[in-house]
Amino acid sequence: GAVVSQHPSRVICKSGTSVKIECRSLDFQATTMFWYRQFPKQSLMLMATSNEGSKATYEQGVEKDKFLINHASLTLSTLTVTSAHPEDSSFYICSARAGGARGKNIQYFGAGTRLSVL
Amino acid sequence: DAKTTQPPSMDCAEGRAANLPCNHSTISGNEYVYWYRQIHSQGPQYIIHGLKNNETNEMASLIITEDRKSSTLILPHATLRDTAVYYCIVRAHTGGFKTIFGAGTRLFVKA
Repeated sequence: GAVVSQHPSRVICKSGTSVKIECRSLDFQATTMFWYRQFPKQSLMLMATSNEGSKATYEQGVEKDKFLINHASLTLSTLTVTSAHPEDSSFYICSARAGGARGKNIQYFGAGTRLSVL
Repeated sequence: DAKTTQPPSMDCAEGRAANLPCNHSTISGNEYVYWYRQIHSQGPQYIIHGLKNNETNEMASLIITEDRKSSTLILPHATLRDTAVYYCIVRAHTGGFKTIFGAGTRLFVKA
């Protein structure tokens, strides 16, 4: 299947710093990418939909100024957690939609980034 | 998108078939049934999807009832590595294509 690469896989940072997470579609172009957050023993929660060349669409309750999303190319979307605090510690997962004949409307997921804010 | 209902957990013996049910009684005519799984501390993995016909691939089979109100994911010969949370999702291919995850079924494959 298609590959979505997410980097870094784990990050530990001090409270108040900003953290950038990258999501790349390695062998297909993704006009739409998605960002999820997952707390321990819970399901994935959709944070936002990232569209190439336009502003991201955030789910209700997700602070757009806190979680900055940039989707500057058809293969790269980034999520920046600004001024991170311990409550932002979570497992962040990106996914990309492989549309059309390639992938037939399948969404592929990255391996996730575990963020720990001290 | 339609809501799905899955049992919270299931056990299966290694080497036996694992049959994971999913109810989606409010599914619309243009919504597909997707299955993903998430092994501990990893990103979800696509398994299979279908509209109304039964589907089979190298990982699993998907059986959708004629009225499309429920489906079953079948792992024909479960292994210990199939222990994971399995998510049943219904979604149209139009609109935002957002995938909303429910609680899923935690499958334990035991030796």
